[in-house]
Amino acid sequence: SSELTQDPAVSVALGQTVTITCQGDSLKTYYASWYQQKPGQAPVLVIYGKNNRPSGIPDRFSGSSSGNTASLTVTGAQAEDEADYYCNSRDSSGNHWVFGGGTKLTVL
Amino acid sequence: EVQLVESGGGLVQPGGSLRLSCAASGFTFNSYSMSWVRQAPGKGLEWVANINQDAGEKYYVDSVKGRFTISRDNAKNSLYLQMNSLRAEDTSVYYCARELRFFDWGHHYSLDYWGQGILVTVSS
Repeated sequence: SSELTQDPAVSVALGQTVTITCQGDSLKTYYASWYQQKPGQAPVLVIYGKNNRPSGIPDRFSGSSSGNTASLTVTGAQAEDEADYYCNSRDSSGNHWVFGGGTKLTVL
Repeated sequence: EVQLVESGGGLVQPGGSLRLSCAASGFTFNSYSMSWVRQAPGKGLEWVANINQDAGEKYYVDSVKGRFTISRDNAKNSLYLQMNSLRAEDTSVYYCARELRFFDWGHHYSLDYWGQGILVTVSS
C-alpha cells in the first residue's frame, strides 16, 4: 500500500483563490480524486481524473497533477466551501484505495 | 437518481458481530465495483474493503482482514459487510460507495457516489 499526504489545515479569504495539495507515490500512476465533506454529511466527489467535475459541482473547483502531487484549486472561494477535503487514489498495487489525512479549509 | 442507503449499524460489544447492508438504486448495480469506507469519530476517511462486479475479486485493508467479509447480491441490488470479532477501534461511520472506472491513458478510478453512512459503535 502507499500513503497520501495532505496539509491538515488551510485558510483563504472570501473570494480569493486557494490550492490544496496531496502527495504520494501512487499519484505517479493514478489520478487523485477529491472529496468535500461538511460536518455531519457524507463525502461528495468534487474532482476526478485529469480535471473532471461531476454534475452540480461549481466550476470554481479545478484539479491538476504533476508527478507525485495532485492539487485542488478553489478560485473565488465562497463561505459554503468551508469543509474538509480529502484526496484519494488506488494504491500502487491497483487493488486497494488510499486516502489522504484530509485538509480543513477555512474561509475567512 | 443514484441512491445508496446503508443500514444495520448500532451498538455492539467487543468481540461481537454486525452485518451492514447497502441498498443501491438508480443505476445498473451489477456493472459497478463497490467499496466500504469508514470514518472514526473526528478522524479521516479510511477505505475498508471493495468487491468487483461479479464478486470474484475482494480486497481488504490489513486491519480488518480475517474479521470482515464483503459480499454482494446483484439480484437484490445490495452490498454487505459482515463484521466479526469487532474491536473498539472499529467504531466508525461506515459508508458504501460506488466505484467509477474510467480510461485516460490507462485505467483510473474514483468513488463517485456515497451513501449517507451508518454508525457502528463497539463498546461494553
